[in-house]
Amino acid sequence: GENVEQHPSTLSVQEGDSAVIKCTYSDSASNYFPWYKQELGKRPQLIIDIRSNVGEKKDQRIAVTLNKTAKHFSLHITETQPEDSAVYFCAASKRDDKIIFGKGTRLHILP
Amino acid sequence: EAGVVQSPRYKIIEKKQPVAFWCNPISGHNTLYWYRQNLGQGPELLIRYENEEAVDDSQLPKDRFSAERLKGVDSTLKIQPAELGDSAVYLCASSSSTQRGLAGGYNEQFFGPGTRLTVL
Repeated sequence: GENVEQHPSTLSVQEGDSAVIKCTYSDSASNYFPWYKQELGKRPQLIIDIRSNVGEKKDQRIAVTLNKTAKHFSLHITETQPEDSAVYFCAASKRDDKIIFGKGTRLHILP
Repeated sequence: EAGVVQSPRYKIIEKKQPVAFWCNPISGHNTLYWYRQNLGQGPELLIRYENEEAVDDSQLPKDRFSAERLKGVDSTLKIQPAELGDSAVYLCASSSSTQRGLAGGYNEQFFGPGTRLTVL
């Protein structure tokens, strides 16, 4: 079955700097890669996703890249702000199938 | 529109006691998921329903866990008896097969707030 690895487990960046979280997946049939943000004690919320037919997607300060050949995908947050502090989960899914989550990255934005 | 609703939000029980969690998905969402999220980990699927049918329960520990979605809308997840290792957040999520079909099968799921279970 699918296995999603996520790195780093913890990331601290200065406010205003960029943060990058990287994930790998094992099943080449996976074609949907969502990213969820989970604040302390709250539900995971979808912040951006990418499909296998594109290599990059951007939404304001957030961008995701996908390398299907290497089975890598990454989340990039630019101009980080205090409210970006949270746990971020990458995930992978095949068409109409269950989503497999990574173990999460705890992002700390330092003042 | 209202999001996924779960209750209770918190539950503390002693080991060997039974416990039940309830979930009401987003209106019109026919696919419902139960996940377990251990501390510091990502959500792990326990069971997936398409309407009232459980289409994937391969990760559900069937000796003590059971779930039902009798009318294809709300769902209940039960643990009997609970063990110390069951302490976790139990998340419910929903999605729409119609919207998945329109989107080419891509599975956007919406999560509820979760039930935090503590087994003493």
